[in-house]
Amino acid sequence: NAGVTQTPKFRVLKTGQSMTLLCAQDMNHEYMYWYRQDPGMGLRLIHYSVGEGTTAKGEVPDGYNVSRLKKQNFLLGLESAAPSQTSVYFCASSYDGFQETQYFGPGTRLLVL
Amino acid sequence: LAKTTQPISMDSYEGQEVNITCSHNNIATNDYITWYQQFPSQGPRFIIQGYKTKVTNEVASLFIPADRKSSTLSLPRVSLSDTAVYYCLVGDISNAGNMLTFGGGTRLMVKP
Repeated sequence: NAGVTQTPKFRVLKTGQSMTLLCAQDMNHEYMYWYRQDPGMGLRLIHYSVGEGTTAKGEVPDGYNVSRLKKQNFLLGLESAAPSQTSVYFCASSYDGFQETQYFGPGTRLLVL
Repeated sequence: LAKTTQPISMDSYEGQEVNITCSHNNIATNDYITWYQQFPSQGPRFIIQGYKTKVTNEVASLFIPADRKSSTLSLPRVSLSDTAVYYCLVGDISNAGNMLTFGGGTRLMVKP
């Protein structure tokens, strides 16, 4: 049981490039989330999903897109990366509700030059 | 939206009990109170959750007074490994925007 895994662990992009971050969970959780965390700050919710095929916007969704084609995977896409998107990205999942315990992945460090 | 206020930082020594208080004056009837712990370069980890009175698990205790306008996370006999950032979240279970709002957290430094 790997829990929540994220790919890649670290990435450097040039402004304007695109990329996809992959989050996978093997706990059969319905809810999945993407957060970003800037240095010295708390986490901010980007997008979330309450089930396969559904997605919704969080606090800071601009510049990001997501897809939840399979229950176990939640993809975060950056179509045209900007330096302001330099951050650490965390994926999380919970069993069946926002109040349920969230299990976080190890994070992806993204640097946009 | 129940906004939370926590101290920015706290210092303690090994073996002491640490109490971190979170203020949430606008807490609503359906809101739960949840605490997470985050170590450097790791994702947050759930510590404890409560609605009212006192909740205790193997890691911590959560004290919630009758008016629920604040809550206190209590860590018994802290060790160096408890040095981390602690986040208090308050929100309605039906609203992602409320439930998943991490503030700045409290940076706890445990000294030898």
